[in-house]
Amino acid sequence: KAGVTQTPRYLIKTRGQQVTLSCSPISGHRSVSWYQQTPGQGLQFLFEYFSETQRNKGNFPGRFSGRQFSNSRSEMNVSTLELGDSALYLCASSMDGLNSGNTIYFGEGSWLTVV
Amino acid sequence: AQSVAQPEDQVNVAEGNPLTVKCTYSVSGNPYLFWYVQYPNRGLQFLLKYITGDNLVKGSYGFEAEFNKSQTSFHLKKPSALVSDSALYFCAVTRGTPLVFGKGTRLSVIA
Repeated sequence: KAGVTQTPRYLIKTRGQQVTLSCSPISGHRSVSWYQQTPGQGLQFLFEYFSETQRNKGNFPGRFSGRQFSNSRSEMNVSTLELGDSALYLCASSMDGLNSGNTIYFGEGSWLTVV
Repeated sequence: AQSVAQPEDQVNVAEGNPLTVKCTYSVSGNPYLFWYVQYPNRGLQFLLKYITGDNLVKGSYGFEAEFNKSQTSFHLKKPSALVSDSALYFCAVTRGTPLVFGKGTRLSVIA
């Protein structure tokens, strides 16, 4: 059974640009959530999608957005990139969501560098 | 608000010795607790979780964790450490909200 797949793995963007990251959850999982990992702030929750609806949202500015498609695949978008957006972005999937007690599986992450 | 504390930034242990990585939590109600491991330049890898039931949870790669409700702790343990266990370990809690992670503990197993 394939794990959580994230693309691209590495990317470099310039300040002011936008970026789209993609995540394919484990087959059968309906919940996809996104986390940002930085050395200074650790792991911070961005948002969770379940059956194409945003169910939870973290404390990030509106430049960070996401969506989920009918096949449960998810994308997150960051517009008007800032240097501080440089981070590892992790996608996680679970069967029924973050509050269900189901195991939450993470992908390998997308490394974003903003220059 | 939920929170997780991992009081040690770094834990050093000799290969073959037992290891413990500490975690305490704060949550309203009964928690769901998780441990993850992260190797360099990789994502988070699930080790084990506590949902309910037996306080001693066994997970992957010989790791186990003990849930202690009175001390609000969920320490990760392994009877005999391997050099390959050297990595960053995260404790996380959820109940009614998304996963909240601790800051992580870097485990270094010395041969």
